Amino acid sequence: DGGITQSPKYLFRKEGQNVTLSCEQNLNHDAMYWYRQDPGQGLRLIYYSQIVNDFQKGDIAEGYSVSREKKESFPLTVTSAQKNPTAFYLCASSIPGFLAQPQHFGDGTRLSIL
Amino acid sequence: AQSVTQPDIHITVSEGASLELRCNYSYGATPYLFWYVQSPGQGLQLLLKYFSGDTLVQGIKGFEAEFKRSQSSFNLRKPSVHWSDAAEYFCAVVIFDFGNEKLTFGTGTRLTIIP
Repeated sequence: DGGITQSPKYLFRKEGQNVTLSCEQNLNHDAMYWYRQDPGQGLRLIYYSQIVNDFQKGDIAEGYSVSREKKESFPLTVTSAQKNPTAFYLCASSIPGFLAQPQHFGDGTRLSIL
Repeated sequence: AQSVTQPDIHITVSEGASLELRCNYSYGATPYLFWYVQSPGQGLQLLLKYFSGDTLVQGIKGFEAEFKRSQSSFNLRKPSVHWSDAAEYFCAVVIFDFGNEKLTFGTGTRLTIIP
């Protein structure tokens, strides 16, 4: 079955450390997205990519970085510059037509600080 | 600023009772509207969407939603809830702003089902 795989499910970060969250999709979608979810705040867009080798900042990109070297993969790095990284991170993908198309979501990665 | 509001943070409903979850948006034109559901510790699943046409849309799992332009609302309904409907529900809106598309999620409504 096609879908989006996020790994790991749980991740712990030490102070000053960069960590990378994995997102892989086999839906043949061109567009991919990263969201951060905090209790009571809904989902906020971190970065998105509409095509390989291209990506744009979302509403809360500071302290995060991404790459899009392959259509299937859109990893997110939470850098040490992100002072409050504890959250649930969701990856999504969609067909072209950008945000107007319904998005398919992975099961998320929960990041915590040690 | 354009936004989407889910006024109810938490709703408790008895199993078998009807359900209505509220969603309001602020935007001058007709946006694209979505309802998603999220089970604990999982990603979001699309329930239904409205782009144009018939203002009453049917979705999966027996859900429906009605777009009311005069009230800027897109409320989600289900005639009889099941215990498996306990989850968090998100309304989302795509707004077009000077050629840019922006997707905004509401803050969610947590649904608890009691026997």
